[in-house]
Amino acid sequence: GQNIDQPTEMTATEGAIVQINCTYQTSGFNGLFWYQQHAGEAPTFLSYNVLDGLEEKGRFSSFLSRSKGYSYLLLKELQMKDSASYLCAVRDQEYGNKLVFGAGTILRVKS
Amino acid sequence: KAGVTQTPRYLIKTRGQQVTLSCSPISGHRSVSWYQQTPGQGLQFLFEYFSETQRNKGNFPGRFSGRQFSNSRSEMNVSTLELGDSALYLCASSSGAGGGYEQYFGPGTRLTVT
Repeated sequence: GQNIDQPTEMTATEGAIVQINCTYQTSGFNGLFWYQQHAGEAPTFLSYNVLDGLEEKGRFSSFLSRSKGYSYLLLKELQMKDSASYLCAVRDQEYGNKLVFGAGTILRVKS
Repeated sequence: KAGVTQTPRYLIKTRGQQVTLSCSPISGHRSVSWYQQTPGQGLQFLFEYFSETQRNKGNFPGRFSGRQFSNSRSEMNVSTLELGDSALYLCASSSGAGGGYEQYFGPGTRLTVT
């Protein structure tokens, strides 16, 4: 089966750096996505990792270790608008490549 | 390019009724996936269509069905509605199926079953 774990909530201060972790268990890993979802809005794509290592995109970076079943999303220079839910999602070839989402991490940025 | 559109945006139905939701993908996208989002269960995969064929199906009862048309537009239908079907139904499109294809989500249809 598939299991994706993320912390439920995190709080950080404006201007700081925060790391949101995601661990997963899948039989046929075929890529990991991070999405951002503001309250009442649709999820928007942040990053994609399929090979080990760090992918950087502006203030956002995502890291993957396939051997450890582990990823993290790093947000730098936090802004109030970064307050949102962050969803980790994994593609599993054993399940027809469908995208399985974690429950999401609610990030609250305080001033 | 216009984004993914979903209609209707809000819907109130009575238990036992049936409902049809519509999704128009981004122009040129041939893959459409449907998800149910609830506070308790998060985002749950319903099904994925590519070129009018269902490629994948989630663990939902047979009351949930869908289809995709030749223009890539997709519909999902829920029959014999139950209170637990109240949720946000999200549609996402991508240019390809599986792999690293990024999914673009529509605004969703908020379904309330009373």
